[in-house]
Amino acid sequence: NAGVTQTPKFQVLKTGQSMTLQCAQDMNHNSMYWYRQDPGMGLRLIYYSASEGTTDKGEVPNGYNVSRLNKREFSLRLESAAPSQTSVYFCASLSRTGQEFGNTIYFGEGSWLTVV
Amino acid sequence: EDQVTQSPEALRLQEGESSSLNCSYTVSGLRGLFWYRQDPGKGPEFLFTLYSAGEEKEKERLKATLTKKESFLHITAPKPEDSATYLCAVQADSSASKIIFGSGTRLSIRP
Repeated sequence: NAGVTQTPKFQVLKTGQSMTLQCAQDMNHNSMYWYRQDPGMGLRLIYYSASEGTTDKGEVPNGYNVSRLNKREFSLRLESAAPSQTSVYFCASLSRTGQEFGNTIYFGEGSWLTVV
Repeated sequence: EDQVTQSPEALRLQEGESSSLNCSYTVSGLRGLFWYRQDPGKGPEFLFTLYSAGEEKEKERLKATLTKKESFLHITAPKPEDSATYLCAVQADSSASKIIFGSGTRLSIRP
């Protein structure tokens, strides 16, 4: 019963380095998301994927790229990390959309990223 | 453009003092409105999903209501363990998979 699993949990990067955050869900959900959360703030949508093979920009996409590798996996890449990208990153997936199905967003435990 | 605004930003209550948190939204057709609770250092925890104006849902001391423009999270006789950040999110018809969150309300309950 893993739900949404994201790795790594903690990472320190130097400015200009690149890295990929991995996310996988085992609930057969179509829609997946990447959010970032800065201290004392709500969640801001970076990118989302409505289904395998599709990705769309969210509210704050600059500096990030994503890949929906298959139905299970949705990765977030920082090509050239900047201190402004220091944040907590959450991956999420959405149960089938529509009232008849009972929508729920499931979250991973978060990835704490520090860029120095 | 879809928008979600939560108020107040922070709320301090005495134990047993009931109050309400507000989530106002602007979307082109609401598919769903979500309420989540988040404790420090943790991921958000699901509370409710509401779908249409007039709908209400309850869980222990929490009750969520929905109108065409806003949702309220009512907290009745809160306890210190209800202290957390409460997040609201909306899913719009225009892009059924896009879900955006408000900035949250930090709730603190004093014993």
